Amino acid sequence: QQQVKQSPQSLIVQKGGISIINCAYENTAFDYFPWYQQFPGKGPALLIAIRPDVSEKKEGRFTISFNKSAKQFSLHIMDSQPGDSATYFCAASRKSGGGADGLTFGKGTHLIIQP
Amino acid sequence: KAGVTQTPRYLIKTRGQQVTLSCSPISGHRSVSWYQQTPGQGLQFLFEYFSETQRNKGNFPGRFSGRQFSNSRSEMNVSTLELGDSALYLCASRLRLAEYNEQFFGPGTRLTVL
Repeated sequence: QQQVKQSPQSLIVQKGGISIINCAYENTAFDYFPWYQQFPGKGPALLIAIRPDVSEKKEGRFTISFNKSAKQFSLHIMDSQPGDSATYFCAASRKSGGGADGLTFGKGTHLIIQP
Repeated sequence: KAGVTQTPRYLIKTRGQQVTLSCSPISGHRSVSWYQQTPGQGLQFLFEYFSETQRNKGNFPGRFSGRQFSNSRSEMNVSTLELGDSALYLCASRLRLAEYNEQFFGPGTRLTVL
């Protein structure tokens, strides 16, 4: 059972454009939603994260929008740059006794920014 | 501050063998988690250790095991290797068992099973 569904699988955006990646989750117990960026040969790097008590969080060119009723969240990359070309993963976790469970990841989006 | 380090970076093994992977967390971080990354299944949670105790486990067979030492360093062991175990194994650390799972990943160990 895939608990976090991510789309699209791949995305091509022109330099300066807006990149949008979407995720939907099923488990209403999830209460932490991070996004990770992964370059080839590297481990995932935490980009930005949101908790369900807010609907939007912005850090520089990266924004997470969160819709609790629809069980969806998305990553927006403004003014996309060639250096943003990477694979992006959404994830979710829930509280459990003594701390959070392991992260449940989406399948990833391969983003290419064309110069 | 140094990041999460993993050794070795690459490993080639044959079916039926066993393998041990090592992870050193960010200095001061006490929790270590392990994940398996494959093209087909994506990133999947294996287990998490905190204060030398496994506190969380994903849906993997018992061939996958781990341990954590008093200095927070962790090892992961896979016994009786299968072809399907070929993957990138990622270690992640976090400072404490906070409610929110802010984890920092290492570069991974690429395991190839022949």
